[in-house]
Amino acid sequence: NAGVTQTPKFQVLKTGQSMTLQCAQDMNHEYMSWYRQDPGMGLRLIHYSVGAGITDQGEVPNGYNVSRSTTEDFPLRLLSAAPSQTSVYFCASSNKWGANQPQHFGDGTRLSIL
Amino acid sequence: SQKIEQNSEALNIQEGKTATLTCNYTNYSPAYLQWYRQDPGRGPVFLLLIRENEKEKRKERLKVTFDTTLKQSLFHITASQPADSATYLCALPRSGGYNKLIFGAGTRLAVHP
Repeated sequence: NAGVTQTPKFQVLKTGQSMTLQCAQDMNHEYMSWYRQDPGMGLRLIHYSVGAGITDQGEVPNGYNVSRSTTEDFPLRLLSAAPSQTSVYFCASSNKWGANQPQHFGDGTRLSIL
Repeated sequence: SQKIEQNSEALNIQEGKTATLTCNYTNYSPAYLQWYRQDPGRGPVFLLLIRENEKEKRKERLKVTFDTTLKQSLFHITASQPADSATYLCALPRSGGYNKLIFGAGTRLAVHP
């Protein structure tokens, strides 16, 4: 069972470059989200989607864009990479948007901005 | 603002003992609380969810308590094993619905043989 798949696993960018982090899930989950995880801090929500065609901002959305054209895919775009965006990025999905649904996470993309 | 506090220092225990991890929260009255396990280089994995009307919940060697008066959840692993070594995260729903969660920074557990 694939679950939530993130690519790439590692990436190094130069300041100002753009890139897209890919996320795909095969569980037919409606709700998907992107988090970043920094040392000593909890996961912070960047953007989320409650279904295809619907996205909204989370806690730390600046510098990131998302789109949700299909149920399965939820890519995260860095528009112009900055060193402050060096982090580990996790994509998650859950069944429906109920407040008691467990989150299913991918294994992350480790991103370094030089 | 909502805050979650987990002990930032690692918890070191001997194999076979019970590990107890703490999650404190402030300025909030969540309807439920979740616990996740995260291994190095991996994403968090859901373990347990406990609702505000449940004082205690068990799953195999895991036990979670939820004290809404103290604003605290305790996570216990009985008969701990080296394979239980990981970072454990607690998470609460954020106000505003849509299943938005706020996560604690996690506590690292190391179980020594």
